[in-house]
Amino acid sequence: QQKVQQSPESLSVPEGGMASFNCTSSDRNFQYFWWYRQHSGEGPKALMSIFSDGDKKEGRFTAHLNKASLHVSLHIRDSQPSDSALYFCAARVLSRNMGYKLTFGTGTSLLVDP
Amino acid sequence: DMKVTQMPRYLIKRMGENVLLECGQDMSHETMYWYRQDPGLGLQLIYISYDVDSNSEGDIPKGYRVSRKKREHFSLILDSAKTNQTSVYFCASSSGQNTLYFGAGTRLSVL
Repeated sequence: QQKVQQSPESLSVPEGGMASFNCTSSDRNFQYFWWYRQHSGEGPKALMSIFSDGDKKEGRFTAHLNKASLHVSLHIRDSQPSDSALYFCAARVLSRNMGYKLTFGTGTSLLVDP
Repeated sequence: DMKVTQMPRYLIKRMGENVLLECGQDMSHETMYWYRQDPGLGLQLIYISYDVDSNSEGDIPKGYRVSRKKREHFSLILDSAKTNQTSVYFCASSSGQNTLYFGAGTRLSVL
């Protein structure tokens, strides 16, 4: 069973529109979350991390975390064609004793139509 | 320069051959990882290394082994490769529990 589940599988938005991604964990040990982005032919790159309940904004990107429901989301406003990529949610356990393992979701493919 | 370098970028092997994938990083990160990426499955952790000669299995270690003799270098070895090990392999490094930095990947085809 996938411990980090993402939705939707794919998403298409017009240039300038809002793209939204969702991620839910089924393991309450996961307390730290990241969003990674992967352009075709490249390795994933970290976009932002969120560890506390509420919103975190970095430029056009806003992440939201609700620890009680283990739900994290990512919103991209004013989407650009260069934002077209695969977006991964990743979660890490709370305790150092459980290691530094980062578990990834299956990803959401974003296409921004120019 | 904050870079993770993977070699080779593309590799074709026959079933039963041995495979060596190499990874280097220039950030002095103590933690390094090997993931594989398959369509619909996301990134799956094969092995994690906390430092030289301190390696732990990830979620899918079967059929793989690793070697880390220098902090900046982490190798993934497939002894007698199988067709179901055809995949894209990513190496990553991090400082403790912080952000992972990934290489560009190695696309392996086992025929």
